[in-house]
Amino acid sequence: IAGITQAPTSQILAAGRRMTLRCTQDMRHNAMYWYRQDLGLGLRLIHYSNTAGTTGKGEVPDGYSVSRANTDDFPLTLASAVPSQTSVYFCASSDNEPDEQFFGPGTRLTVL
Amino acid sequence: GQNIDQPTEMTATEGAIVQINCTYQTSGFNGLFWYQQHAGEAPTFLSYNVLDGLEEKGRFSSFLSRSKGYSYLLLKELQMKDSASYLCAFMDSNYQLIWGAGTKLIIKP
Repeated sequence: IAGITQAPTSQILAAGRRMTLRCTQDMRHNAMYWYRQDLGLGLRLIHYSNTAGTTGKGEVPDGYSVSRANTDDFPLTLASAVPSQTSVYFCASSDNEPDEQFFGPGTRLTVL
Repeated sequence: GQNIDQPTEMTATEGAIVQINCTYQTSGFNGLFWYQQHAGEAPTFLSYNVLDGLEEKGRFSSFLSRSKGYSYLLLKELQMKDSASYLCAFMDSNYQLIWGAGTKLIIKP
């Protein structure tokens, strides 16, 4: 793989279900990010990780959790999905601040 | 507080020049980014300005005025493939990106 991959590409989920969105990068970047993108709004940061073993809350963290066990992987978990979490989710990574962020292809999630 | 603003939509003609403006307010600033996003795809990096002035990169140029909280992206010799959304974002004092909602650019033949 080259760059950042995300899985699944899209998913329809019943409200109340648990869901993990996967993100893997092979660029050995220190920092990783999860954003959601909704129509008419800018990208909003959910959680971030500056380096393996550390995570932080972004602008809209409620209902989401992350872990960073190693450099490459940064999964995002929705413990109990709600319809307002219907969105396109992008994972991104960067090497050093304030470097550009590289984005994965996104996951389109629909919660019914 | 922090905020960032850019026009929702712009239309331009193939071969022409278009300028997309972005204004922002923040107490901490570590640079201004422009990204391009085609429909259904991920954002891709275009430019980064941290000092005042114009940065030119091929057909695309980006300008920054920190005192005015203002940036623009200039696209020359427009091509149909330039039809996309252009996202402006500033990096705050915590090195987090604050994003505008994006400007949808429509190119007409």
